[in-house]
Amino acid sequence: GAVVSQHPSRVICKSGTSVKIECRSLDFQATTMFWYRQFPKKSLMLMATSNEGSKATYEQGVEKDKFLINHASLTLSTLTVTSAHPEDSSFYICSARRSQGFNEQFFGPGTRLTVL
Amino acid sequence: GENVEQHPSTLSVQEGDSAVIKCTYSDSASNYFPWYKQELGKRPQLIIDIRSNVGEKKDQRIAVTLNKTAKHFSLHITETQPEDSAVYFCAARYRQGGKLIFGQGTELSVKP
Repeated sequence: GAVVSQHPSRVICKSGTSVKIECRSLDFQATTMFWYRQFPKKSLMLMATSNEGSKATYEQGVEKDKFLINHASLTLSTLTVTSAHPEDSSFYICSARRSQGFNEQFFGPGTRLTVL
Repeated sequence: GENVEQHPSTLSVQEGDSAVIKCTYSDSASNYFPWYKQELGKRPQLIIDIRSNVGEKKDQRIAVTLNKTAKHFSLHITETQPEDSAVYFCAARYRQGGKLIFGQGTELSVKP
């Protein structure tokens, strides 16, 4: 149990285009999902907290119009990087927190975004 | 504000030796402290966690200790093996919204 999937695993896009990343909890309901960004050999930087049915909460310094988050159901959250630029290239990882129990967080496999 | 400090940033040990990674946190109301292992290019995997009502927890070769007064918690790996080589992250659950705040990571290298 507690499997989180992410799609796509890798994406390469041209500068100026938008990219959508999906995060799904496959075998549990997740009222809350989190989006992280990770640079090589660095820690996970929390970008935003995604709550089902409400607006996401963004961390300080993260542009909400740049990184659009939608949490339409208890098993799906999406992150859209709008008008991507090379500096947006990174490893994006989501995590999902169980709605029931002690609320452990489980991570998706990550999405490697490369913007040319 | 919320902050988790992790040390050391790199750690190299011989196979069979023990490894200790230490973290401190800032929010005294934090109540959950997980440890994650991340191999290159892969997702962080939860390896052990501890709640604030417990001082120590052990799972085979891995143990975690928590000192709430000092706001310290540590990961102990005994009888290290080459497959333990990875980056390890500590985290503390910040009271507001339950988000996890991560330490900077420790790159552990176990030499055969």
